[in-house]
Amino acid sequence: GEDVEQSLFLSVREGDSSVINCTYTDSSSTYLYWYKQEPGAGLQLLTYIFSNMDMKQDQRLTVLLNKKDKHLSLRIADTQTGDSAIYFCAESGSGGYNKLIFGAGTRLAVHP
Amino acid sequence: NAGVTQTPKFQVLKTGQSMTLQCAQDMNHNSMYWYRQDPGMGLRLIYYSASEGTTDKGEVPNGYNVSRLNKREFSLRLESAAPSQTSVYFCASRPGDWQPQHFGDGTRLSIL
Repeated sequence: GEDVEQSLFLSVREGDSSVINCTYTDSSSTYLYWYKQEPGAGLQLLTYIFSNMDMKQDQRLTVLLNKKDKHLSLRIADTQTGDSAIYFCAESGSGGYNKLIFGAGTRLAVHP
Repeated sequence: NAGVTQTPKFQVLKTGQSMTLQCAQDMNHNSMYWYRQDPGMGLRLIYYSASEGTTDKGEVPNGYNVSRLNKREFSLRLESAAPSQTSVYFCASRPGDWQPQHFGDGTRLSIL
């Protein structure tokens, strides 16, 4: 079945790069997404990548997709304290109306 | 532009009570979704509506009903609340296939 896995916790020093990893199972997924959730808030779309792309860059964010290994990563350059949040990977999956399949989320803690 | 608005933001219920969670979007999106978020489990789809007038079950529909009142509004009803339904509920919408979902800020529901 469809499944998305992420490591649950990542701690980085302010100014370093953060890399959050995700693996998924559905090879038919057309889009893969990264969402950010700050405490007490909803999910904010950070970026997404089409499955025929290997990389997408958007300011401090770089998404890498290895479709062969079904591995997705999100790199945040020059990580700041405001980046502390939970990051969710999601795949579009198969089936109707592009229902999203979410990972459990990676909690990113940024310390001085 | 309000985006996706959920009401109420917080609610405490007793076991057996009923409640309707409201969701409205002002982006003229076709599809709308209800998710629940539990610790360590990511988001799980309860019900979705691909377009006005249609609704379908998601991954965890038991104990819930939905109504797509019009294109803007999609409500979630708990007929007889149970402690296992204590969760954070998110509504989302999207304009069409392959487009990202946009989320509301959530309703935090506790059932005693």
